[in-house]
Amino acid sequence: NAGVMQNPRHLVRRRGQEARLRCSPMKGHSHVYWYRQLPEEGLKFMVYLQKENIIDESGMPKERFSAEFPKEGPSILRIQQVVRGDSAAYFCASSPNRWVDDTEAFFGQGTRLTVV
Amino acid sequence: GQQLNQSPQSMFIQEGEDVSMNCTSSSIFNTWLWYKQEPGEGPVLLIALYKAGELTSNGRLTAQFGITRKDSFLNISASIPSDVGIYFCAGPPIDYGGATNKLIFGTGTLLAVQP
Repeated sequence: NAGVMQNPRHLVRRRGQEARLRCSPMKGHSHVYWYRQLPEEGLKFMVYLQKENIIDESGMPKERFSAEFPKEGPSILRIQQVVRGDSAAYFCASSPNRWVDDTEAFFGQGTRLTVV
Repeated sequence: GQQLNQSPQSMFIQEGEDVSMNCTSSSIFNTWLWYKQEPGEGPVLLIALYKAGELTSNGRLTAQFGITRKDSFLNISASIPSDVGIYFCAGPPIDYGGATNKLIFGTGTLLAVQP
């Protein structure tokens, strides 16, 4: 998973605040995926983005959550008005093209969000 | 929606023992992936399986894609302390065909290895 950079590694927010999670994909990768992992569970797909486009956001909660991947800069996962249930590890993965057979997507180390 | 169930939930073994874990689904998957996640880290791909019946090895790891396409197993031979972690199976939803840009992850198997 070397190369996909997520920051911050740990983020503490009070209920009602905003959380901004950043993901810089591996060099040369133009596809980014966000996953959420609740304690003691597997990862759940949230959103798939390419530069300036949201391709699939079927796993995103309908409210308070948004994601972007601008032409320049990292991908951002934004959570507005956080609640305790948003506490989880958020992982970003990137791949050089559409994540098809024989193309591995690399995961970052994750951002652990704690809402107090 | 499609779900992946892993068993056992956890395993506590002695160094040198062989390990076997499996992943089952009530519906068909066209690709099976096995990941390892260490504490505080993201998942790392161990083995990818693309054909029913396929048996693939990666060092001490061996995985097989079940003939029915509804299950897969992962074996680890001669376990060592650094094998500790959570092992996840994963696969793309059937409506995505073979493209793995969206994965369903299993519930995970926690492996602890005592030296």
